[in-house]
Formats: sequence, C-alpha cells, structure tokens
Amino acid sequence: NAGVTQTPKFQVLKTGQSMTLQCAQDMNHEYMSWYRQDPGMGLRLIHYSVGAGITDQGEVPNGYNVSRSTTEDFPLRLLSAAPSQTSVYFCASSLVGVGYGYTFGSGTRLTVV
Amino acid sequence: RKEVEQDPGPFNVPEGATVAFNCTYSNSASQSFFWYRQDCRKEPKLLMSVYSSGNEDGRFTAQLNRASQYISLLIRDSKLSDSATYLCVVNGRYGQNFVFGPGTRLSVLP
Repeated sequence: NAGVTQTPKFQVLKTGQSMTLQCAQDMNHEYMSWYRQDPGMGLRLIHYSVGAGITDQGEVPNGYNVSRSTTEDFPLRLLSAAPSQTSVYFCASSLVGVGYGYTFGSGTRLTVV
Repeated sequence: RKEVEQDPGPFNVPEGATVAFNCTYSNSASQSFFWYRQDCRKEPKLLMSVYSSGNEDGRFTAQLNRASQYISLLIRDSKLSDSATYLCVVNGRYGQNFVFGPGTRLSVLP
C-alpha cells in the first residue's frame, strides 16, 4: 500500500501562475482533505470531500479549487498564485466515523515569488 | 478562544524523564480525539487515539476528561527519538473535519 501520495514535493511559482497539487490514496477512504501549515498558524483546513462528487470549503478556501471525480484522487488547484499562498500543503484521508484518524501525505512545499 | 489549545512549550527534558502535555478543546460535541507527532519538515503521523477510559501504548498514556474538555499525553522514560512536535487533534463541528492544536515541541536531551 502506498497510502497517500502527494506530488510535487517542492514547487516554486511566480505570482499569477496557476498549478495543481496532486493527491491520491489507495486505501478506499471516503474522506479526503487539504490542509496548509504555516509557522505560528498550525494546520488549517482548505477544502474537504466526503466522497466522489462531494466537496466543501474549510477554514481558508479562498484562492483554491478542488474536485473529486474518483474516490482515489483529490487535486487542489491554485487559480492565481499569490505570495500569501507560500506554505506547506498536506493532503489527508480517512475512513468516516468516530475514532478514525487521518493518514497524511508527505506534503508539498510551495513558494510563490 | 481557540478551538484547541495546547501547552506552549518548548519542553526540554533529559533522557529518561517523564513529560506530560495538556490540551483543552472548546467544542463539547467533539467525539474523536487524537495525539499526532510531527517531526521537523515531515507530515503529522498518528501517535494514538484517545478514549474516554484512558489508554496506554507502551510508554505513552493518553487521558480524556469530557467534563473539563481536557486531553493529556504522558510520555514515560523519554528517548531521544521522542523529540518532535506533539499535536492535539479534535474533530470539529463538521464530523470528520479535524481541528489541530498549535503543537507542543519536545526536545529530549542526552
């Protein structure tokens, strides 16, 4: 089992560019989410999905889009990159129910210049 | 008030010491509770779930007090490899969405 796979691991973007962060899991988890982690801010939820075709906004959704066409994949799109989006991005997945914890991907370190 | 608050740290302890971390949460309807550890520049990894009756996994003991909305983690006989940031995690208002505390950094010194 690969678990949760995120690509790329590192990325540098120029302001205004767009890109997609990929996330795939092979554990048949219904729930998937994207978090960003910034120094002093902890992990903050961007978007989440409870199944294919179902997505919703988290705490900090502005500037990001998601879709969930399959159970396995949950890409995060940056529409027009801004320096404020410089962060470490983590994808996480889990089964749905009390007591099920997240499995995280290894993260994407994004710098917007 | 933040949804999940933790001891600010950092904690610097010698090998073999016992160290305790505290966490409080604001959502009384929360049902799922966890401790995660995060090594520098790595992803968070599940350390243990926390159950109402308390639970133990080797040198680690977790306690939950629902009435006080308080969670604790006790590490006995600290090892150098325990050095990491420990994150208190609670499910928020929307079921499977988790709220992460800011973390408490632990350094175990030789």
